[in-house]
Amino acid sequence: QVTLRESGPALVKPTQTLTLTCTFSGFSLSTSGMCVSWVRQPPGKALEWLALIDWDDDKYYSTSLKTRLTISKDTSKNQVVLTMTNMDPVDTATYYCARIISGYDSYYFDYWGQGTLVTVSS
Amino acid sequence: QSALTQPASVSGSPGQSITISCTGTSSDVGSYNLVSWYQQHPGKAPKLMIYEGSKRPSGVSNRFSGSKSGNTASLTISGLQAEDEADYYCCSYAGSSTSFGGGTKLTVL
Repeated sequence: QVTLRESGPALVKPTQTLTLTCTFSGFSLSTSGMCVSWVRQPPGKALEWLALIDWDDDKYYSTSLKTRLTISKDTSKNQVVLTMTNMDPVDTATYYCARIISGYDSYYFDYWGQGTLVTVSS
Repeated sequence: QSALTQPASVSGSPGQSITISCTGTSSDVGSYNLVSWYQQHPGKAPKLMIYEGSKRPSGVSNRFSGSKSGNTASLTISGLQAEDEADYYCCSYAGSSTSFGGGTKLTVL
């Protein structure tokens, strides 16, 4: 079965760089149509899409955050890593990784990790 | 990308039907039949309820249905049950980007 799990620091200081790892199983990110994405949710607020990496190593970023984000994958380890620079208290949120099925007529998040809460505070 | 517009809250009594709208633009909802809907209970990860506008994943009740007209997608839940009380988010492919709605809190009275 498909599973995803986020890992990373629970607390980061302002201006620091956040590095989150998504470790997944049950599928290969080298299979056509497979993508992994990051989505965050500040406490009590809505979901916000951050970034996506696909089976062909193409990368897409939120327009508003693209200067701060980098997404990469290690197919052999079944991991996707997201880095976000210059963290600020407004970046406090639960960060989710999720699998996306993408094709000519398909685009949806079918499996999600449990999420990891990241707090930005000095 | 801009967030899709959803009503902040909707409510209904058990057994009734409700509809949640999701308004985007000709760059997202209007251009692609790639709207998906997610249910999120407090403290839990989102769960896929509808994809490609109107398709249900295996295991999702047929009380959930989706549709689209122009730049607006809709999620309808019929035969409301207490367990349907949750937050609902729409999502649309938007070319090289993805947009989520602001979320709708469904209260079952």
